[in-house]
Amino acid sequence: IQLTQSPSSLSASVGDRVTITCRASQGISDYLAWYQQKPGKAPKLLIYAASTLQSGVPSRFSGSGSGTDFTLTISSLQPEDFATYYCQQLNSFPLTFGGGTKVEIK
Amino acid sequence: QVQLVESGGGVVQPGRSLRLSCAASGFTFNKYAMHWVRQAPGKGLEWVALISYDGNNKYYADSVKGRFTISRDNSQNTLYVQMNSLRAEDTALYYCAKTRIGVVNNALDIWGQGTMVTVSS
Repeated sequence: IQLTQSPSSLSASVGDRVTITCRASQGISDYLAWYQQKPGKAPKLLIYAASTLQSGVPSRFSGSGSGTDFTLTISSLQPEDFATYYCQQLNSFPLTFGGGTKVEIK
Repeated sequence: QVQLVESGGGVVQPGRSLRLSCAASGFTFNKYAMHWVRQAPGKGLEWVALISYDGNNKYYADSVKGRFTISRDNSQNTLYVQMNSLRAEDTALYYCAKTRIGVVNNALDIWGQGTMVTVSS
């Protein structure tokens, strides 16, 4: 199953609302997770089961979608949110990640 | 605290082998499926392999199938990956990660810091 993330990069300002999309090449129900990765660091789980916020993750992050189309939304971008975001499907093997979306400071 | 620490990386010639280890602590290791995920320099994440909590089920990416073998020792709280017939394209930072809950198709909630593998002559 291929995951296509868009955009591959974006520039945004602190306080902006940011939306990242992830499209699966076939239906994956809600078996989708979102991760955040900062330079030189391991990925961090943000969202699982498409829309469930991982414990300790700020509520400005949210996920939605089912089937083939998913979104990650950051309601008000904070300085610490500048990072690369990846989606991952867990519906079937081999598991796959999207190509990533780099969120940069405008 | 919950922790995963990878080791075993290094520089290896094409065609040679390497075994990576991942030492787990702070959680009941034998209740969770475990993954290897890699990241080539400057590139995105690539899932490599998964092993079920009891070691009975193993899954691989097509790119490593037949060359890599994932295993675990629940008595030692350690995850392994044996990498044979290494290629230049296997050069990457290798992370181990645990599933959020025990089942295999759940998100990866804890990651190690990775161990670097460089395949070069």
